Amino acid sequence: GIQVEQSPPDLILQEGANSTLRCNFSDSVNNLQWFHQNPWGQLINLFYIPSGTKQNGRLSATTVATERYSLLYISSSQTTDSGVYFCAVNTGTASKLTFGTGTRLQVTL
Amino acid sequence: DTEVTQTPKHLVMGMTNKKSLKCEQHMGHRAMYWYKQKAKKPPELMFVYSYEKLSINESVPSRFSPECPNSSLLNLHLHALQPEDSALYLCASRLAGTEAFFGQGTRLTVV
Repeated sequence: GIQVEQSPPDLILQEGANSTLRCNFSDSVNNLQWFHQNPWGQLINLFYIPSGTKQNGRLSATTVATERYSLLYISSSQTTDSGVYFCAVNTGTASKLTFGTGTRLQVTL
Repeated sequence: DTEVTQTPKHLVMGMTNKKSLKCEQHMGHRAMYWYKQKAKKPPELMFVYSYEKLSINESVPSRFSPECPNSSLLNLHLHALQPEDSALYLCASRLAGTEAFFGQGTRLTVV
């Protein structure tokens, strides 16, 4: 099956700093999503981005499908950005959504 | 409305108990999912229902029994679980070719 690797695995930032999270996948994908999992376990939808670039406030994402990677940019980070960030992909006609390994982000004051 | 509702939020059960997890959505999504997530790991797919039929079973032990009574409801019946089955159980739904939405999860502890 498809392999989805995220980097870095852990990241500590001071409030106000910027960061880039990366998602690499081993095969062509139809869909790609970015999620933020908060400390209570809720998976919050950030972006649905099979290709191209999208922006939502301080967050933006870019997927380069032909090179099999996606990037999530967080600018001016806040303590509420802390948690785990996952990318997840669909391949072919399958309904299956496969999650990446995750990046654990801690934003400190 | 992009809400997927899971109940209960927390569940403690003994190894001889039978319990059920419930998931509900009213977005008209025809694909519904159960995922299992252990601490510090990504969610792992257990089951997929498509148009109320089981389409994917990721070799899940038979002590987990899914059910999709209608297009809005998904259940996961639990019986004779082991302590290692303690985890966060997540339900999701989506329309084909669009984004998936997840519920808040049920945190299950097997004692």
